[in-house]
Amino acid sequence: ETGVTQSPTHLIKTRGQQVTLRCSSQSGHNTVSWYQQALGQGPQFIFQYYREEENGRGNFPPRFSGLQFPNYSSELNVNALELDDSALYLCASSSGTSGVYLVNEQFFGPGTRLTVL
Amino acid sequence: DQQVKQNSPSLSVQEGRISILNCDYTNSMFDYFLWYKKYPAEGPTFLISISSIKDKNEDGRFTVFLNKSAKHLSLHIVPSQPGDSAVYFCAASDTGTASKLTFGTGTRLQVTL
Repeated sequence: ETGVTQSPTHLIKTRGQQVTLRCSSQSGHNTVSWYQQALGQGPQFIFQYYREEENGRGNFPPRFSGLQFPNYSSELNVNALELDDSALYLCASSSGTSGVYLVNEQFFGPGTRLTVL
Repeated sequence: DQQVKQNSPSLSVQEGRISILNCDYTNSMFDYFLWYKKYPAEGPTFLISISSIKDKNEDGRFTVFLNKSAKHLSLHIVPSQPGDSAVYFCAASDTGTASKLTFGTGTRLQVTL
C-alpha cells in the first residue's frame, strides 16, 4: 500500500507566476485536503476535495484553486504568486462518506516546499 | 486569530524523563483534539487523539489530557526517548467541519541522552 506522495519536492517561482502542485492520495482514499505551512507556523487548511468536488474551504483567496481527478489524485493551483505564498504545502488523504471521516485517519504527504522570489 | 496555541516553541528533556507539551484553544466549538508529530522532510504523523467527552486518553507511552473548562490539553510522553525528538503539533476540529483541522504553531521537543 503506497502512502501519500507529492510532487515536486521543491519549487522556486517568481512573484506573479502561477504554480501547480500535485498530490497522489493513499490507495483507497477518496478525500484530499490541502494545507499551507508557513515558516514557524502550524499548517493552515486551504480546502478539501471529496469525489472531485470542493468540500470545505479555509480563509484563502480565490487565486488558490484545486482539482481532484477520478483516481482521487489532486492538484493545487496558485495564480499571481505573492512573496507570502512561500511555504510548505501539505496534502492529506482520507477515506470517508460524503466528505465526513475520522480526522485521526488522515494521512499527510511530505509536502512541497514553494519559494517565491 | 490564533484559535489553537502552543506557547512553548521548544522543550528539552532528558531521556527517560517525562515530556509535557501544552496546548490551549479558544474556540468552544472544538470537540475533537489531536496531536501530530513531524520529523524534518516528512509530513505530520497522527499520534493520539481525544474527544471532548473524555478527559484522558492513553496509548502506550503517550497520554493526552483534556481540561474543557480551561480549554487546555496536554500531551505526556513517559518515558521520553531520543526518537521522540520532533516537532509536535496540537490540532482541533469540530464535528460540523470534520474536514478542517486547526493547528497550533508547534513545539520542538529535543530528548537528550
